[in-house]
Amino acid sequence: DVKVTQSSRYLVKRTGEKVFLECVQDMDHENMFWYRQDPGLGLRLIYFSYDVKMKEKGDIPEGYSVSREKKERFSLILESASTNQTSMYLCASSPNRGNYGYTFGSGTRLTVV
Amino acid sequence: GESVGLHLPTLSVQEGDNSIINCAYSNSASDYFIWYKQESGKGPQFIIDIRSNMDKRQGQRVTVLLNKTVKHLSLQIAATQPGDSAVYFCAEPLGGKLIFGQGTELSVKP
Repeated sequence: DVKVTQSSRYLVKRTGEKVFLECVQDMDHENMFWYRQDPGLGLRLIYFSYDVKMKEKGDIPEGYSVSREKKERFSLILESASTNQTSMYLCASSPNRGNYGYTFGSGTRLTVV
Repeated sequence: GESVGLHLPTLSVQEGDNSIINCAYSNSASDYFIWYKQESGKGPQFIIDIRSNMDKRQGQRVTVLLNKTVKHLSLQIAATQPGDSAVYFCAEPLGGKLIFGQGTELSVKP
């Protein structure tokens, strides 16, 4: 069964901390994505990557960065966590460009206090 | 800004009834749409897609209708079951990435 695994289900961090959210896929997919999900706002794209060491900004990249050193792993980094980054974070992957049948992880609920 | 949006944030139906979830889009050049289902505690899951050269596409108990004239699509679930309770998103590719609507939460009453 193909999988996208997010390392933490729940996280609580303090304001100003550097936070790493990890995502691993075992499907040899080229594309990986980070979304955040907030009530009433749906899913908003933060960053995505079409290949190793490649990254592209999504719609709301401010306050975030990403790293993709290996094909299977895509990390989201909150450089200095703030309370407005409290959210559900969803990682997804797809086989290649033009394939929109994304496989999502179960999400990481991050609370910044 | 968003190019797809859903009409209602919540929908409650009786078990066994049919459900209709609506979505509007703004770009008349849009040619591909996808519906995702997100159950509680899980990530969204692909349900069904439709291309603009079709008006209707059927899956197992689900049908998606596309009305290009009014830029509207709907997801119809036949004989709704408790397991259909979830948040449903329409999504559209834009600039090589998926843009999601706000979601409709479907509740199924026994």
